[in-house]
Amino acid sequence: AQKVTQAQTEISVVEKEDVTLDCVYETRDTTYYLFWYKQPPSGELVFLIRRNSFDEQNEISGRYSWNFQKSTSSFNFTITASQVVDSAVYFCALSDANFGNEKLTFGTGTRLTIIP
Amino acid sequence: EPEVTQTPSHQVTQMGQEVILRCVPISNHLYFYWYRQILGQKVEFLVSFYNNEISEKSEIFDDQFSVERPDGSNFTLKIRSTKLEDSAMYFCASRRIGRYEQYFGPGTRLTVT
Repeated sequence: AQKVTQAQTEISVVEKEDVTLDCVYETRDTTYYLFWYKQPPSGELVFLIRRNSFDEQNEISGRYSWNFQKSTSSFNFTITASQVVDSAVYFCALSDANFGNEKLTFGTGTRLTIIP
Repeated sequence: EPEVTQTPSHQVTQMGQEVILRCVPISNHLYFYWYRQILGQKVEFLVSFYNNEISEKSEIFDDQFSVERPDGSNFTLKIRSTKLEDSAMYFCASRRIGRYEQYFGPGTRLTVT
């Protein structure tokens, strides 16, 4: 069975600080996908990134970066120079790559508060 | 940019009543999903739908639930006889063939009284 653990329930940082959100996953599949979604106070789920299990290259998009380490089953998310608009709940999610089983398994989320 | 839309944004119903939640997926997407999120908890998978049939469903998706794609644009979730514990935010999502990221609608908050 698939499982995603986000051990940090809540994090608060002062604006402009860097912050890293941790995600650890479990799966027996050899091919799978990892995702991060953002849920702002308005409640919608916003897709941020998808990572393939066979591609361990880290990715940077503006102030966001992701560190995928297969050896430790982790897919961590770093926000550099945080801003108040980054305040949200962030969910890490996992799906396998087999047709018909591509449901997303979500972690419990990390509530990030950026203090102005 | 195309978006998944959902109606209504909030539905209040009495226990035992039937509700239908509506979704319009992104137009060139062929895989559709329903998830729910009980207040303050994680997002849980309910059902996936492709080629006019259910691909997979979770234990939550019992006989009280059904899904339908009644026409080329809508995707609906029906709860036949609502229970108090069905109160949650229900999200519809869709994805394209060949891509694994799912795009979510804004959700329908269902309150069962």
